[in-house]
Amino acid sequence: GAVVSQHPSWVICKSGTSVKIECRSLDFQATTMFWYRQFPKQSLMLMATSNEGSKATYEQGVEKDKFLINHASLTLSTLTVTSAHPEDSSFYICSARDSDKLYGSEQYFGPGTRLTVT
Amino acid sequence: SQQGEEDPQALSIQEGENATMNCSYKTSINNLQWYRQNSGRGLVHLILIRSNEREKHSGRLRVTLDTSKKSSSLLITASRAADTASYFCASGRGTALIFGKGTTLSVSS
Repeated sequence: GAVVSQHPSWVICKSGTSVKIECRSLDFQATTMFWYRQFPKQSLMLMATSNEGSKATYEQGVEKDKFLINHASLTLSTLTVTSAHPEDSSFYICSARDSDKLYGSEQYFGPGTRLTVT
Repeated sequence: SQQGEEDPQALSIQEGENATMNCSYKTSINNLQWYRQNSGRGLVHLILIRSNEREKHSGRLRVTLDTSKKSSSLLITASRAADTASYFCASGRGTALIFGKGTTLSVSS
């Protein structure tokens, strides 16, 4: 149980285009999902907290108009990188908390999406 | 929004040896978790220790937490080549997780 999927697993796009990444909780409901980005050989940086049915909460320094987050259902959050540039190339990872679990319990991570912008 | 440092940044050991990684964090936490990441892959949850716990074991893993020093350690005993990976601590701040910089562990056979 507690599986989180991401789609696509990798994507190559041209500068100026937009890319949508999906994060799904497969066997549990997730009121809250999180989006992280990871540069090569570095740690995960929290980008935003995605809340079902409401606006996402972005971390300081993350452009909300650049990284659009939609959490339309209890099992799906999407991250859209708009007008992508080469510096947006990164590994994007989502995670989800099981809504039925107690506060502070572990998060379940997706396998990540590698974005390359040419 | 990284929380703190991990020490060492890189660690190379032989199979059978123990590996100890340390993590420090900056603010108050609800819990601290350790994750493993193989190169270019997603994260695997290893163990969670709550702020009112001092030590926890899971198989070959032993985690300690010192909230007065805002630090934690992960000990992997009798390491195997398959333990080669990056290890991250993540402190729970409300519902979000803030990750440390990670330790890259290499175990040679």
